[in-house]
Amino acid sequence: DTGVSQDPRHKITKRGQNVTFRCDPISEHNRLYWYRQTLGQGPEFLTYFQNEAQLEKSRLLSDRFSAERPKGSFSTLEIQRTEQGDSAMYLCASSLGGAGNQPQHFGDGTRLSIL
Amino acid sequence: AQTVTQSQPEMSVQEAETVTLSCTYDTSESDYYLFWYKQPPSRQMILVIRQEAYKQQNATENRFSVNFQKAAKSFSLKISDSQLGDAAMYFCAYRSAKGVDGLTFGKGTHLIIQP
Repeated sequence: DTGVSQDPRHKITKRGQNVTFRCDPISEHNRLYWYRQTLGQGPEFLTYFQNEAQLEKSRLLSDRFSAERPKGSFSTLEIQRTEQGDSAMYLCASSLGGAGNQPQHFGDGTRLSIL
Repeated sequence: AQTVTQSQPEMSVQEAETVTLSCTYDTSESDYYLFWYKQPPSRQMILVIRQEAYKQQNATENRFSVNFQKAAKSFSLKISDSQLGDAAMYFCAYRSAKGVDGLTFGKGTHLIIQP
């Protein structure tokens, strides 16, 4: 169990640029989640995959955001035409399927700063 | 939509003492799960303890225990024999037993341990 891995740890970009983040879940976990956390707040749910299928998307996930999980393994989160308000920590989590009390295991996050 | 409220932005406790962190939630559902997560500075979010709503018995994990009051929609976390390593942000989280699979988090409580 190597844990959930996220890359990069930090990303600084200019407003209007596109950015892509990667998440590698724990290998046997079929569920994968993306959250966004701004300073002084708890994480907010963005989207969720079961295997390669994206099953839920939050209203927070505007059309500038897209997430994929090809082959049900790693996932990418892309933000197009970044805005100042996109500055946040983007967290990835994974869990086993089955009962709803399965804990979600979080990665270290990718901190995005928009100049 | 469910909401989670943590009314204590910051709490301070002497090492070896006991501290209780408050959490209330709002839901119309009868079946759900509750969690407490710990987020040390610049480190991963870690599960502390979890509770199934259908269980009347309060969950316990070593020095950590909860007081789950379903009718009052209250889910407090008690930390006994506080240690310096307990210093972190603590987040209360709710998960529906159906529908959207993401966690709904509170804003967190910053716990300070005084040596």
